[in-house]
Amino acid sequence: QSALTQPASVSGSPGQSITISCTGTSSDVGNYNVVSWYQQHPGKAPKLMIYEVSKRPSGVSNRFSASKSGNTASLTISGLQAEDEANYYCCSYAGNNVWVFGGGTKLTVL
Amino acid sequence: QVQLVQSGAEVKKPGASVKVSCKASGYTFTGYYMHWVRQAPGQGLEWMGWINPNSGGTNYTQKFQGRVTLTRDRSISTAYMEVTRLTSDDTAVYYCARDPGYSILEGHFDLWGRGTLVTVSS
Repeated sequence: QSALTQPASVSGSPGQSITISCTGTSSDVGNYNVVSWYQQHPGKAPKLMIYEVSKRPSGVSNRFSASKSGNTASLTISGLQAEDEANYYCCSYAGNNVWVFGGGTKLTVL
Repeated sequence: QVQLVQSGAEVKKPGASVKVSCKASGYTFTGYYMHWVRQAPGQGLEWMGWINPNSGGTNYTQKFQGRVTLTRDRSISTAYMEVTRLTSDDTAVYYCARDPGYSILEGHFDLWGRGTLVTVSS
């Protein structure tokens, strides 16, 4: 299983919106609605932000939203805040009880 | 308090083995699958495999089959991950992460340990 493809970095100013893409194949992202997104601050464990493509866990800000089209999933963060600066990872079910992560995207809040 | 507490950092020589523990508390350990994920220094997350703490059933990504073994001890609510034949490429932080589906795999990870740094160096 190959890693999902994410942009290495994205940036935005406070208050703006950004979108991070996550491209897989018809064997993973395109075939299952089992895509999740994680936020990871330096030196910390990842935190679940989105599951099952677009669902937000309790306690996660509604500034975080996500969707999927074909083989590409997307995470959108609106109203950027300084605390959103982190690395973001997508993850997809890839069949045969196996999961695969994206390479990660570093979000910089300018 | 619902949490996963992992064992401390390890330093190993190439060719050795390492066993990392992950103790669950605050929930029914046997009800939720446990995944293991690793992260090399400055790199991204890499899914390794899962264990069903109730049955002991496991599954691994192809890359780790034969070299990684996931086990559990239900009596102390602890999951273990052992990696054999270590090389410098195995230097990473290893995380355990709970799948929130009760007795099923929902496919995301809602509770994470703090990670265990394993350093492989001669």
